[in-house]
Parts: sequence; C-alpha cells; structure tokens
Amino acid sequence: DQQVKQNSPSLSVQEGRISILNCDYTNSMFDYFLWYKKYPAEGPTFLISISSIKDKNEDGRFTVFLNKSAKHLSLHIVPSQPGDSAVYFCAASTGNQFYFGTGTSLTVIP
Amino acid sequence: DARVTQTPRHKVTEMGQEVTMRCQPILGHNTVFWYRQTMMQGLELLAYFRNRAPLDDSGMPKDRFSAEMPDATLATLKIQPSEPRDSAVYFCASGLNFGSYGYTFGSGTRLTVV
Repeated sequence: DQQVKQNSPSLSVQEGRISILNCDYTNSMFDYFLWYKKYPAEGPTFLISISSIKDKNEDGRFTVFLNKSAKHLSLHIVPSQPGDSAVYFCAASTGNQFYFGTGTSLTVIP
Repeated sequence: DARVTQTPRHKVTEMGQEVTMRCQPILGHNTVFWYRQTMMQGLELLAYFRNRAPLDDSGMPKDRFSAEMPDATLATLKIQPSEPRDSAVYFCASGLNFGSYGYTFGSGTRLTVV
C-alpha cells in the first residue's frame, strides 16, 4: 500500500523555467514531509522539508508547498538549472514510520 | 564532510548464496535505516534502528532477511539464501530521530543475484 505517491515518473523543463514536482499522500497523521534528490550511482540527498503545520517553506531556488486538505505537496524549482537534473523523491514521516514515493526523474534542458 | 559508508558498492552472487551488506552510520546519529530501491516500488523501507534497537523490520521478508546493529558504528543487512528477485540497490541512511531533519544516505550496495 503506497502511502506516498508520485504519479509523474518523469518531467522535462527548459533551463530557466519553473519545475513543479508533485506528491500525494494518504495518511493524515504524517507530520513532516521531505524532498530528496538523487543522482545516478549516489544515495539520495536531503533537499528541503516542511512541517504539517505550515503550508510553505522556501530555501533559495526551492520552495515546498503543502495543501493538507488535498493531501498534496509540491516542490517548485525556480529557475531550473541543468544541474537540477536528477530523480526527486518525496517522503513523509509520522514519527514512527518514514515513507518514500517512487520518484520523479527531472531533466532540465539547456 | 561526515558520510554514511556502505560496503561493498557492488555485489554479484549466485542464487542461494548468503549476502552481507555493511553500513557505517555517521558518528552520533541514533537512527539507522535500510532501504531497497526498485523500479516499481521506489525506495522501500526494510528496517530501522533507534539507539541500536530494532524498531521496525516489517518491510523485510523475515524468512531470508535479517538486520542487526552489533555496535553503534556498524549495521548489517544479511540475505540468506539470496534469490534473483533480491537484485536491487540497497541503501543505508542515518540521522537523528524523525521529523524535519534530513537523513544522510550512503551510496548504496548494488546487488545482483544470478
């Protein structure tokens, strides 16, 4: 049972434009949401997180938005750069469990 | 930079053989995870430890997988006997408790069972 879902396996965006990666979840008890970035042959690296009591968190070019009523979060990357090309995983935790989505492969075209 | 070290990086083994993967978490981190990455399931949680005690291993096939932390500097994941369907990349990650903190992942062990 996939509690965290990323329905878009891939996304292509022109350099300089906005990249929007989406994630849906089913468990209303999740209290933190995180985004990880993964390059080939490397482990995922932590990117940004948001508490369930907030609806937005920003860190440089990366902003995460949380819509609890829709059980949806998104990661915005503005402006997108070729170095952002990677697989992005969203994750959610309850304090006792930690779940990842299946990932979205982002390609930023120069 | 502190890092999580996983060995071996690659392992090819024959079906039925025992496989042991090792992980050295970051010093001071009290939570250690084992994940498996597959195309269909993404990152699956296999097991995790807090302060060396196993808290959840419900993601592991119990008949063949086992995870241990013999000490604070070493976590192991063992498969016996291995099967072709176990072929995947296995990641170890460590961190401090749950919540908003990012967890640090190792580079993974790519296991191929033939």
